[in-house]
Amino acid sequence: SQTIHQWPATLVQPVGSPLSLECTVEGTSNPNLYWYRQAAGRGLQLLFYSVGIGQISSEVPQNLSASRPQDRQFILSSKKLLLSDSGFYLCAWRGALKETQYFGPGTRLLVL
Amino acid sequence: RKEVEQDPGPFNVPEGATVAFNCTYSNSASQSFFWYRQDCRKEPKLLMSVYSSGNEDGRFTAQLNRASQYISLLIRDSKLSDSATYLCVVNMRRGSTLGRLYFGRGTQLTVWP
Repeated sequence: SQTIHQWPATLVQPVGSPLSLECTVEGTSNPNLYWYRQAAGRGLQLLFYSVGIGQISSEVPQNLSASRPQDRQFILSSKKLLLSDSGFYLCAWRGALKETQYFGPGTRLLVL
Repeated sequence: RKEVEQDPGPFNVPEGATVAFNCTYSNSASQSFFWYRQDCRKEPKLLMSVYSSGNEDGRFTAQLNRASQYISLLIRDSKLSDSATYLCVVNMRRGSTLGRLYFGRGTQLTVWP
């Protein structure tokens, strides 16, 4: 069966510091991978998606970036965090022939 | 206009009650539909897909009205464990790709004893 992991689970970072969140998927190959952010009291916002190694599409311009160095690894980064980057970051995967997405446990980020 | 709109609630109902959530979507090209459930401080989890003819999974019934661009979720005999936020989700395909999912903000449900 497929599983998706994210770490860290929680993170408190100062404004201006860098960020690296990691997501890995097991039990599937060539998944579509997604990064979402959910701010307090708001809906899910798609940030990036990837259909393959090195292929990244950005949905919303901001100070974040994403990379996919391996088939089942998706990384979200920032060089300098802003207060507005606080939120719940969720990674999701989708199989090649399926329309539903399955989420990892998420990383709760607080920027102070 | 947002792609997916939901009544945010909150809905507060006693155990055993029947509760219904509604959702509308803006793009008639939307092609598949889902309900997800999100517990407090947890990730969303797929509850059920929504099919054109309507479908049922135990106490949960989902319906789709393409003409009105309207989706509903009915929960019968509510349990305390049904307390969560319910997200309406719509998939819109682009050409030959699988498309992308659009999420409503969610409807909060609290079931009290």
